Amino acid sequence: NAGVTQTPKFQVLKTGQSMTLQCAQDMNHNSMYWYRQDPGMGLRLIYYSASEGTTDKGEVPNGYNVSRLNKREFSLRLESAAPSQTSVYFCASSEPQWTPPYEQYFGPGTRLTVT
Amino acid sequence: KQEVTQIPAALSVPEGENLVLNCSFTDSAIYNLQWFRQDPGKGLTSLLLIQSSQREQTSGRLNASLDKSSGRSTLYIAASQPGDSATYLCAVDKLSFGAGTTVTVRA
Repeated sequence: NAGVTQTPKFQVLKTGQSMTLQCAQDMNHNSMYWYRQDPGMGLRLIYYSASEGTTDKGEVPNGYNVSRLNKREFSLRLESAAPSQTSVYFCASSEPQWTPPYEQYFGPGTRLTVT
Repeated sequence: KQEVTQIPAALSVPEGENLVLNCSFTDSAIYNLQWFRQDPGKGLTSLLLIQSSQREQTSGRLNASLDKSSGRSTLYIAASQPGDSATYLCAVDKLSFGAGTTVTVRA
């Protein structure tokens, strides 16, 4: 039981390049999330998917797109990377907040540097 | 928009002292609040989750309380140990996170 997995673990991009961060969970959760974490700040929600087939913007969606490929997988795409997108990206999964079990589980993170 | 605040940003205590970590939120209409631990360079590990209908949850040396009406949650860690050194974050409804309190327990 791997929980939430993310690939890659580290990535360096040049400004303007594109890339996709992959996330998969094996807990059969309906909801999945993408966050970014910057030094001295908490996690900020980029996008989330309450259930397969739906996606919603979070607090900081600009410059990102997401795809809920199936129930297991939720990818985050940077179309034209900018230095301001240098951050650590976390994927998480859970059931919707009104459905037990309520805990949220996180992947190990992707450390992205844009030069 | 839900705002979540954790004060202080950092805390240093001698081993054996009890820790009290605070989390405040602006909108009391919540489903649940979860406390996480994050070690440097690592992901988040869930510690305790309190549903909106609960007042507290306990797990070993950890106890978390929730007062929705005042928009506050407190995480208590009894008899702290050096291994408790980490950053502790609270999250409201999985969508809004505090910036965390970084705890150092001195041996």
